[in-house]
Amino acid sequence: NAGVTQTPKFRILKIGQSMTLQCTQDMNHNYMYWYRQDPGMGLKLIYYSVGAGITDKGEVPNGYNVSRSTTEDFPLRLELAAPSQTSVYFCASSWELAVRNEQYFGPGTRLTVT
Amino acid sequence: QQQVKQSPQSLIVQKGGISIINCAYENTAFDYFPWYQQFPGKGPALLIAIRPDVSEKKEGRFTISFNKSAKQFSLHIMDSQPGDSATYFCAAEETSGSRLTFGEGTQLTVNP
Repeated sequence: NAGVTQTPKFRILKIGQSMTLQCTQDMNHNYMYWYRQDPGMGLKLIYYSVGAGITDKGEVPNGYNVSRSTTEDFPLRLELAAPSQTSVYFCASSWELAVRNEQYFGPGTRLTVT
Repeated sequence: QQQVKQSPQSLIVQKGGISIINCAYENTAFDYFPWYQQFPGKGPALLIAIRPDVSEKKEGRFTISFNKSAKQFSLHIMDSQPGDSATYFCAAEETSGSRLTFGEGTQLTVNP
C-alpha cells in the first residue's frame, strides 16, 4: 500500500510554461484534494473532488485546473505559470465514510517559477 | 477571510516542558477539529482530533482542550521531546462538508 504518491518531487518552471502535477492514491478513497503550502499561510485548498467525474473549486483555484477521470488519479494542471505559484503542493485523499475523517497526504511537490 | 486563526506562529520549548498551541474559529457550523503534524520534507499527518460533544481528548502525551462557547481549542504536548519538533496545524470541518479549513501553522522546536 503506497498511500498517496506525487510526482515530481521538485520542479523549476519558467514564467509562462505549463505543467501537470501528478497524484495517485491506492486506498480506494473517493475524496481527493489539492493544497498549496506557503510559509506562515497554512494549507490552502485549490481544488477537490468527491468522486470520479466530480470536481469543485477551493479557496485559491485561479491559475489551476483539475480532472478526475478515475478514482485513483487527480492531476493538477498549471497553465501559464507565474511567480505567485511558487509553493509546495500537496495532494491528499480521504474516505467519505471513515470514522476519523482523516486526510492522507502525499509527500509534496516543491515548485519554483522563475 | 481566515476562518481558523492559530497562534503562536513559532514556539520554542525545552525538553520535558509543555507545548501549548491555540486556535480560534468563527464558523459555528464547524463540528470536527483535527490537529495535523508535519515533519520537514513530509506531508501533514493526522495527530489527534475532537468533536464538540466533549471538552477534552487525550492520546498519550497529546491533549486537545475544547471550549465551545469561546470557539477555541488548543493542543497541549506534555513532556515535550526533541522528536516532537515539527509544524502543527489545527483545522476545522463543517457537519455536512468534505473540506478542512486549516490554521496558519505553528513551528515547534523542542530543545534538548
